[in-house]
Amino acid sequence: GDSVTQMEGPVTLSEEAFLTINCTYTATGYPSLFWYVQYPGEGLQLLLKATKADDKGSNKGFEATYRKETTSFHLEKGSVQVSDSAVYFCALSPYNQGGKLIFGQGTELSVKP
Amino acid sequence: NAGVTQTPKFQVLKTGQSMTLQCAQDMNHEYMSWYRQDPGMGLRLIHYSVGAGITDQGEVPNGYNVSRSTTEDFPLRLLSAAPSQTSVYFCASSSWTGDETQYFGPGTRLLVL
Repeated sequence: GDSVTQMEGPVTLSEEAFLTINCTYTATGYPSLFWYVQYPGEGLQLLLKATKADDKGSNKGFEATYRKETTSFHLEKGSVQVSDSAVYFCALSPYNQGGKLIFGQGTELSVKP
Repeated sequence: NAGVTQTPKFQVLKTGQSMTLQCAQDMNHEYMSWYRQDPGMGLRLIHYSVGAGITDQGEVPNGYNVSRSTTEDFPLRLLSAAPSQTSVYFCASSSWTGDETQYFGPGTRLLVL
């Protein structure tokens, strides 16, 4: 079945460091791909998404490109801030199956001043 | 718009007790879903609905029942709680209109003793 694998955390970075969180997926057809973020004590918020191959999603300085050839959707940010400290989830929505998201296990990011 | 609301925020149950977790959305979304979040496992789909009167099982449906009598509400029932159901539960909704973004509620933290 469809699945998502993302790098394990926690990841600890200094402010202004470069961030990469790896995400790879297994799916049939053409899924949509998402990054969600969860701040401490809160629910999940959409960070960015991409719905077809080679699409780049971007938001708040974060970017991820849908790479079908490597089945990847890695999250990057050029300069992280303390306020980026959160748990990041990679997820896919199977093709033509609305209402379903399959999540990776989450990566906790801690940014130190 | 209140978005997706969940009640209660926190609940303690004894093994064998029953309860209903409430979820409501005011965005007129067709799709609604329930997930549970456990440490190191990301979020896993319990049940979902593609419209009023239509529900289906997700990855981990055992021990949970759902029904969807209105577009707005999607309650999750635990008929006989078990310690393995200790978790954080999130409800989400999304639209048919091609935007597959799921909007999440703030979560219900459940402890089963």
